[in-house]
Amino acid sequence: AQTVTQSQPEMSVQEAETVTLSCTYDTSENNYYLFWYKQPPSRQMILVIRQEAYKQQNATENRFSVNFQKAAKSFSLKISDSQLGDTAMYFCAFSYSGTYKYIFGTGTRLKVLA
Amino acid sequence: NAGVTQTPKFRILKIGQSMTLQCTQDMNHNYMYWYRQDPGMGLKLIYYSVGAGITDKGEVPNGYNVSRSTTEDFPLRLELAAPSQTSVYFCASTDPQGTYEQYFGPGTRLTVT
Repeated sequence: AQTVTQSQPEMSVQEAETVTLSCTYDTSENNYYLFWYKQPPSRQMILVIRQEAYKQQNATENRFSVNFQKAAKSFSLKISDSQLGDTAMYFCAFSYSGTYKYIFGTGTRLKVLA
Repeated sequence: NAGVTQTPKFRILKIGQSMTLQCTQDMNHNYMYWYRQDPGMGLKLIYYSVGAGITDKGEVPNGYNVSRSTTEDFPLRLELAAPSQTSVYFCASTDPQGTYEQYFGPGTRLTVT
């Protein structure tokens, strides 16, 4: 069975600093997708970044980047130049090709301090 | 472009009452989902649908029912509400032929007292 583990329930970071959120997953599939979603206090789930497993190059979106280690089944999110607006719950998620199924981690609550 | 819309945004139910949470998407996505999110927790799949007329149970389906008569709409029915159903409910959709990204509605906060 596929699982997604986020081992950091809460984290904090000073404004303008860099923070890394951890995510590990377990699967026997070879073709799959990994996502980081952000949930601010408004509750809206917002896609931050996605990674296709067949791509070796790590995805980046402006201040957000991932460290995708396929062999280690690790998918961490790095936020550079943290901003107060980055304060949110962050969820790691996994889906494999050809299925309806998405597996979400339990989330990491990130607080950016002024 | 409305994306995924949900109504209502908030609702308080008494124990034993019933209600329907509405979900509509305008992206012509075949796959639609209902999740619940309990306080401080992740998302748990209640039901999903891979197209009009096709639905199936997820991880926590007890106490809920769904139907999918059109591509756009995927309502979730709560029968005989119980305090354990107090949660935030999210509807989502995806196009499995595309990026596999899930598009979420704004959520419905439901309290059962």
